[in-house]
Amino acid sequence: KQEVTQIPAALSVPEGENLVLNCSFTDSAIYNLQWFRQDPGKGLTSLLLIQSSQREQTSGRLNASLDKSSGRSTLYIAASQPGDSATYLCAPGTLSGANSKLTFGKGITLSVRP
Amino acid sequence: GAGVSQSPSNKVTEKGKDVELRCDPISGHTALYWYRQSLGQGLEFLIYFQGNSAPDKSGLPSDRFSAERTGGSVSTLTIQRTQQEDSAVYLCASSLSGANYGYTFGSGTRLTVV
Repeated sequence: KQEVTQIPAALSVPEGENLVLNCSFTDSAIYNLQWFRQDPGKGLTSLLLIQSSQREQTSGRLNASLDKSSGRSTLYIAASQPGDSATYLCAPGTLSGANSKLTFGKGITLSVRP
Repeated sequence: GAGVSQSPSNKVTEKGKDVELRCDPISGHTALYWYRQSLGQGLEFLIYFQGNSAPDKSGLPSDRFSAERTGGSVSTLTIQRTQQEDSAVYLCASSLSGANYGYTFGSGTRLTVV
């Protein structure tokens, strides 16, 4: 059974700081991995998707890397802004039929101080 | 539609009553997933539909939970004889098939059992 760990549970940083959010998972036989953002009381917004054959993906100030063999992924946020404050969820996907079935970590709640 | 639509957004029900939660996926998305998020917990997989294949029901917590997907589109999650521990946010997601495509989530239904 896939287990996903995201540590720390919460993080507070000053605006402008570059930061790294870590994710580890126990089953390295993954199909892909997705990073999401969740704002309080809202659903999940997809940030980045990395296929198992890829090492990283970039979107704007976000960069996600994947080291499948060691069961790790990181989300790098450059020049953090108060609007980045949210909970960030890592979800590796294992193959189920023609798709991936995601298993979620509990998330890292990020607060960016102005 | 433009996104995944879930209804109702909020539902308060009395213990022992049955409830139905609805999910309308993105048009053309063949896969549909249900998760639930309890307070302070990560997202828990419930059930997954893929095209005409038999659904993966491995995450349903008890036989009080069931789901169907009619015509490969709209899905209904039914909880019979609700219990207080069923209180959670129920999230639906849909996707196209394959590793290139990630999940798109709806805004969820917040269920409160009193």
